[in-house]
Amino acid sequence: QSVLTQPPSVSAAPGQKVTISCSGSSSNIGNNYVSWYQQLPGTAPKLLIYDNNKRPSGIPDRFSGSKSGTSATLGITGLQTGDEADYYCGTWDSSLSPVVFGGGTKLTVL
Amino acid sequence: EVQLVESGGGLVQPGGSLRLSCAASGFTFSSYWMHWVRQAPGKGLVWVSRINTDGSTTSYADSVRGRFTISRDNAESTLYLQMNSLRAEDTAVYYCARVRNGNYYFDFWGQGTLVTVSS
Repeated sequence: QSVLTQPPSVSAAPGQKVTISCSGSSSNIGNNYVSWYQQLPGTAPKLLIYDNNKRPSGIPDRFSGSKSGTSATLGITGLQTGDEADYYCGTWDSSLSPVVFGGGTKLTVL
Repeated sequence: EVQLVESGGGLVQPGGSLRLSCAASGFTFSSYWMHWVRQAPGKGLVWVSRINTDGSTTSYADSVRGRFTISRDNAESTLYLQMNSLRAEDTAVYYCARVRNGNYYFDFWGQGTLVTVSS
């Protein structure tokens, strides 16, 4: 049972848009920055979004992040088959483990 | 080029020990907090431990506290995780990841090393 709650899976057609939610509490998302990580099959996680809505260099603007209260959302537009991966949200927590992650969301591009 | 290369994983019996290493290169190792994150087969990411830039402050997940010890050698740009009293539930890929001092995200991860605890 992860501290942050994500949907187990989402799917959409190529070219479409998808959003992935991440729900937490005041001890984590409510008072800390959220980051998002992409894990392609068989590879290590890779930073996708940091500080709620910033993209590292090299990450296309098809990927976006937002936060409101104790929830965060990852958005992906113009879906490509290469976007099929597991996506994790993460943040710091003041009451539990210092770092907490969501359970991960598997994106399928149909 | 930034690199984090883990090593030391393998098959170990319950109750046994392993020492993981994470060799860093391509950046100023001493400027980064370093963390270990693990991922059991088919499961999600779980934070394990962290150490501050000079090694004076460490934190652990409840599940490993008292059994695992994190340390670092800034002169050698290497992070360690000493794992004792291993259990079947410790079976996972262990990733090292860096966090720049003052930031709150993992900006680079190693490729991981698999630890299997089984008799």
